[in-house]
Amino acid sequence: DAMVIQNPRYQVTQFGKPVTLSCSQTLNHNVMYWYQQKSSQAPKLLFHYYDKDFNNEADTPDNFQSRRPNTSFCFLDIRSPGLGDAAMYLCATSRESKLPRGGNQPQHFGDGTRLSIL
Amino acid sequence: AQTVTQSQPEMSVQEAETVTLSCTYDTSESDYYLFWYKQPPSRQMILVIRQEAYKQQNATENRFSVNFQKAAKSFSLKISDSQLGDAAMYFCAYRSPRRDDKIIFGKGTRLHILP
Repeated sequence: DAMVIQNPRYQVTQFGKPVTLSCSQTLNHNVMYWYQQKSSQAPKLLFHYYDKDFNNEADTPDNFQSRRPNTSFCFLDIRSPGLGDAAMYLCATSRESKLPRGGNQPQHFGDGTRLSIL
Repeated sequence: AQTVTQSQPEMSVQEAETVTLSCTYDTSESDYYLFWYKQPPSRQMILVIRQEAYKQQNATENRFSVNFQKAAKSFSLKISDSQLGDAAMYFCAYRSPRRDDKIIFGKGTRLHILP
């Protein structure tokens, strides 16, 4: 089945130690998103890739970076994790039109990676 | 700026009964899309149902239906014949048709199903 796969499911890292979360998709969607979700809250968009174009949210900390080496893979790098970065990180994909008008396509989410900071 | 409000942080319903989750939104646009997403505990978020604002007919998907009131900016989700597997966090979401605009989520409603 076509899907969005996030690895690992659980990640533990030390305060200040860089960590990378990965996401892969078999849906061949052109847009990939990274969200941060804290307990019982709505997902908060960190950034997204529209094809190769990177779009950063204004309030995403500089500590968070992303790479998309090809259509199928996207990585979230946290350079120096702090205690406040402990959260669930969700990857999502969607197929968006090349036209300026779109938005009706649903996003497909992975299972998420739960990040703990020691 | 658009906002999405879910006024019920938690709800409970007896199995096999019907429950309605409320959602209101604020926008100055006339064309947009609305979604309900379901996030079960420790499982992935999935789309439940979507509605295009230009369509007057309410969307339905099996036991799930919406009551879309465009003038009132209301988009409630009705779950009929509730099942234990419906227990989840439900997020209402708004998106404009502009390609680069992000989806706006409400804070969610946690739905408990009582056996």
